[in-house]
Amino acid sequence: GAVVSQHPSRVICKSGTSVKIECRSLDFQATTMFWYRQFPKKSLMLMATSNEGSKATYEQGVEKDKFLINHASLTLSTLTVTSAHPEDSSFYICSASPISGGLYNEQFFGPGTRLTVL
Amino acid sequence: GQQLNQSPQSMFIQEGEDVSMNCTSSSIFNTWLWYKQDPGEGPVLLIALYKAGELTSNGRLTAQFGITRKDSFLNISASIPSDVGIYFCAGLNSNTGNQFYFGTGTSLTVIP
Repeated sequence: GAVVSQHPSRVICKSGTSVKIECRSLDFQATTMFWYRQFPKKSLMLMATSNEGSKATYEQGVEKDKFLINHASLTLSTLTVTSAHPEDSSFYICSASPISGGLYNEQFFGPGTRLTVL
Repeated sequence: GQQLNQSPQSMFIQEGEDVSMNCTSSSIFNTWLWYKQDPGEGPVLLIALYKAGELTSNGRLTAQFGITRKDSFLNISASIPSDVGIYFCAGLNSNTGNQFYFGTGTSLTVIP
């Protein structure tokens, strides 16, 4: 149980194009999903918290107009990198926390998406 | 955002040796999680801790929730080559929010 998928796993795009990354919780519902960015050999950097049915909460320094987040349902959140540039190349990882009785908090990660912008 | 102090940053050990790493925070948490990440993949949850002083095992892995609620420890016994990877701790205080804070990671290399 507690499986999170991401699609695509790898994407290469030209500078100036937009890329959409999907994050799905396959066997549980998640009110909240998180989007992270990870640079090589570095820890996870939280970009935004995605809330089902409401606007995402972005971390300081993350451009909300560049990284569009849509949490369409309790099992799907999407991250769209708009007008991508080479400096946006990175490993993007989503995670989801199951809806629970509030006693147990766990966060499950997707396998990540490697974005390369040429 | 807040990042937890995790040490050591990297470890190079012989197969069969035991491994210890820890994570410290300036604030109190009510949940500690430990993850392992292989290259090019997402982190995989290893152990979850919910109570100060709690000691939980998962095979050769044992983790403890520090009694101060500001730290946690992960031990790996009798390391094997497949233990290679980066280990992250994550802490949460659900009374103040839903955001997990991550450690800086410990890179483990096991020499056969």
